[in-house]
Amino acid sequence: AQSVTQPDIHITVSEGASLELRCNYSYGATPYLFWYVQSPGQGLQLLLKYFSGDTLVQGIKGFEAEFKRSQSSFNLRKPSVHWSDAAEYFCAVGGGSQGNLIFGKGTKLSVKP
Amino acid sequence: DAGVIQSPRHEVTEMGQEVTLRCKPISGHNSLFWYRQTMMRGLELLIYFNNNVPIDDSGMPEDRFSAKMPNASFSTLKIQPSEPRDSAVYFCASSGGQAYNSPLHFGNGTRLTVT
Repeated sequence: AQSVTQPDIHITVSEGASLELRCNYSYGATPYLFWYVQSPGQGLQLLLKYFSGDTLVQGIKGFEAEFKRSQSSFNLRKPSVHWSDAAEYFCAVGGGSQGNLIFGKGTKLSVKP
Repeated sequence: DAGVIQSPRHEVTEMGQEVTLRCKPISGHNSLFWYRQTMMRGLELLIYFNNNVPIDDSGMPEDRFSAKMPNASFSTLKIQPSEPRDSAVYFCASSGGQAYNSPLHFGNGTRLTVT
């Protein structure tokens, strides 16, 4: 069965520092992979997606993610974090038997000045 | 584009009462999803509609939960009778394709508190 693991529940970084959020997935074929962001009191918003092709994908708000098949990972990165990036980030994998998305438990990002 | 609209934003009710949550998907989207979010269990898919037809309701916790989509622009999630363990944020999302390969557009959620 497909699954998604986000090993870090909570990460704190300084403003201006680089960021990497980890995501590992389990799926038998090439998955469809997504990163979503959730600000407090709001729904999830799509940051970026990977379906095929170039393994480094660019998203909104300066985020990027790299698909590594050998490591079953799809880590999210940003070279310089802004205070407004403080939110919860969810990795998701699609392609299951019912065609549904499976979400990870999320990583909460705090940004210190 | 007004986005996915959910109502109410907050609902406080007493145990045993009926609760109805409402969702208006983005016009033209043919898939609609109901999710529940809690601290303990994270984001759980409750039910998924495609072209107004329920495709997967395996996530619906029990018979107290029911969902309908009478037309392409409206869906409801009903809990009857409600219990304190149903307290959560309920999200509706829509997409223009299949769940596994189309981005989901989420509403701002309904925060349900059952006392």
